[in-house]
Amino acid sequence: EAQVTQNPRYLITVTGKKLTVTCSQNMNHEYMSWYRQDPGLGLRQIYYSMNVEVTDKGDVPEGYKVSRKEKRNFPLILESPSPNQTSLYFCASSFARGNEQYFGPGTRLTVT
Amino acid sequence: EDKVVQSPLSLVVHEGDTVTLNCSYEVTNFRSLLWYKQEKKAPTFLFMLTSSGIEKKSGRLSSILDKKELFSILNITATQTGDSAVYLCASNYGGSQGNLIFGKGTKLSVKP
Repeated sequence: EAQVTQNPRYLITVTGKKLTVTCSQNMNHEYMSWYRQDPGLGLRQIYYSMNVEVTDKGDVPEGYKVSRKEKRNFPLILESPSPNQTSLYFCASSFARGNEQYFGPGTRLTVT
Repeated sequence: EDKVVQSPLSLVVHEGDTVTLNCSYEVTNFRSLLWYKQEKKAPTFLFMLTSSGIEKKSGRLSSILDKKELFSILNITATQTGDSAVYLCASNYGGSQGNLIFGKGTKLSVKP
């Protein structure tokens, strides 16, 4: 089954404790992206990657890192999480940037 | 500043009603407009529109794009309670492969 998977689905952590949210797709998509979704603000892009070893900042990259060492995986790293990073995070992939994107199930992160 | 604006932000209708959701955009080098449906989970793709005046249709849902007036509408006829969701509009725009910017969504509630 073609899908985008994310782990964990739910995470509660404390300020400053490094964490990684994994994202994997099995559709051989070149383009992958991370979004955060907050009430009243909609979906905002954090980082994106157009291919292996090619990543770039989206609209709200501060406090986040990403890597793209393999085509299928695109982890999101929070080196020192803060409460303002409490949000619902989505990973998405597509054949190319701007094409219809397939979204993962989401990760609800709470930072206390 | 590139932006996508959806209206209304929320809407309550009764089963059987027809609804029209609006999406206007102001982006540099417009490429396409996409509609997604989001229930209590990840957004799922509905339509991608690239040409003015050509209606895309899927069951009771249809959408059309007006590139002169810079807007799109999503119509849902004979609404059902299962249509209750947030409907997201996104514009693909920009450089060689484009970028994707989302509106804040329209929350549709269909009452029995």
